[in-house]
Amino acid sequence: DAKTTQPPSMDCAEGRAANLPCNHSTISGNEYVYWYRQIHSQGPQYIIHGLKNNETNEMASLIITEDRKSSTLILPHATLRDTAVYYCIVRVGSGNTGKLIFGQGTTLQVKP
Amino acid sequence: DTAVSQTPKYLVTQMGNDKSIKCEQNLGHDTMYWYKQDSKKFLKIMFSYNNKELIINETVPNRFSPKSPDKAHLNLHINSLELGDSAVYFCASSQSPGAGELFFGEGSRLTVL
Repeated sequence: DAKTTQPPSMDCAEGRAANLPCNHSTISGNEYVYWYRQIHSQGPQYIIHGLKNNETNEMASLIITEDRKSSTLILPHATLRDTAVYYCIVRVGSGNTGKLIFGQGTTLQVKP
Repeated sequence: DTAVSQTPKYLVTQMGNDKSIKCEQNLGHDTMYWYKQDSKKFLKIMFSYNNKELIINETVPNRFSPKSPDKAHLNLHINSLELGDSAVYFCASSQSPGAGELFFGEGSRLTVL
């Protein structure tokens, strides 16, 4: 089972920031949080990951709370092409047999 | 060049048939995966191979047999297809089995009639 919970859906206006929350209250100290997205009819795409510090790349920012029990993915200026299902994932297991378990994700609808 | 490529993209077949899906990655990665996405859109890991060796097998029926001839290829053969096998199958690769950054293919949509 996935170790994360996310709202099933969210809307965002084009050009505004999209803030996607994720709860992972059972996360262990050395487990990373990963974010992926899946645009309709495409394969999932890696976005970003983090352990405890905030992270930023060309796609998004990841804010992780100090207690690491939740995080927020931020798309600073959402476009229509950002409409997708966003998955927040904590890897299950460790070492070579660790795996990414995808939950239901959040369907983000960016509206004009 | 496509990093992770799967063929065929679409496959329609009758129950009871045997079919294969092929996957190739040109990223030089050591680890490859098969995921299944059913009609409810849940993505579930099926198998993982590291350098041609099976390392994850997620209680998939033994009608499903992955084969990795080399670390750049991971094929999925399915025997005696059933209606419930209808899904989109995604291949993915990562640099190592411990890496969390996976690169996915575009998927192969299998429809069993």
